[in-house]
Amino acid sequence: QVQLQESGPRLLKPAGTLSLTCNVSGDSIVSSYWWNWVRQTPEKGLEWIGDIYHTGSGNYNPSLKSRATISVDKSKNQFSLQLRSLTASDTAIYYCARDKGPLNSQRGIFESWGPGTLVTVSS
Amino acid sequence: EVVLTQSPAILSASPGERVTLSCRASQSVDSHLVWYQQRPGQAPRLLIYESSTRATGIPARFSGSGSGTEFTLTINSLQSEDFAVYFCQQSKNWPPMYTFGQGTKLEIK
Repeated sequence: QVQLQESGPRLLKPAGTLSLTCNVSGDSIVSSYWWNWVRQTPEKGLEWIGDIYHTGSGNYNPSLKSRATISVDKSKNQFSLQLRSLTASDTAIYYCARDKGPLNSQRGIFESWGPGTLVTVSS
Repeated sequence: EVVLTQSPAILSASPGERVTLSCRASQSVDSHLVWYQQRPGQAPRLLIYESSTRATGIPARFSGSGSGTEFTLTINSLQSEDFAVYFCQQSKNWPPMYTFGQGTKLEIK
């Protein structure tokens, strides 16, 4: 059974860059799944940030595309999120998640989630 | 962007009751509608996908229905562990642009 775990700095300053890593265990990052980042705030609720395949192909929420980069590290069985030009509105719980299956019909169905990590942006 | 509107925002019910939660999409998502349950301090948990298919390990008291723009999640015979927040999400967009509803909090009456 796949397990996901987010890690990274919890307190960041405005204008800085968020860097989070999702460690994957119980499955290979090069298996035929898409890997996602989702965030949650009390104000905006759940927001899909983007996804990535082990080939490096990915998609982003248009509202974050200019600031976000998702990448894969096959050697470490991890994928990562970078979010630049932070503001207080980026304060959120960040989750990594895996799609339900490799088929196109199974994309966007988030079956496995990490526990989430709270990131606070404050001066 | 597909906007999902859930109603009601808060639903009060008693154990043993049957409840129905609603999710309306701003445009058709066919049957590409997903439901999650979120308990305090936990990540969302997949309940239903493709509008009506229960995820692995989800009890039969949870059922989903609908297509196009109107969807419902029904929970029969509420158990204490069912009091949580429920989110709908659409998985139709191509290229991917998945969106969530704002949630329905199911609380004990």
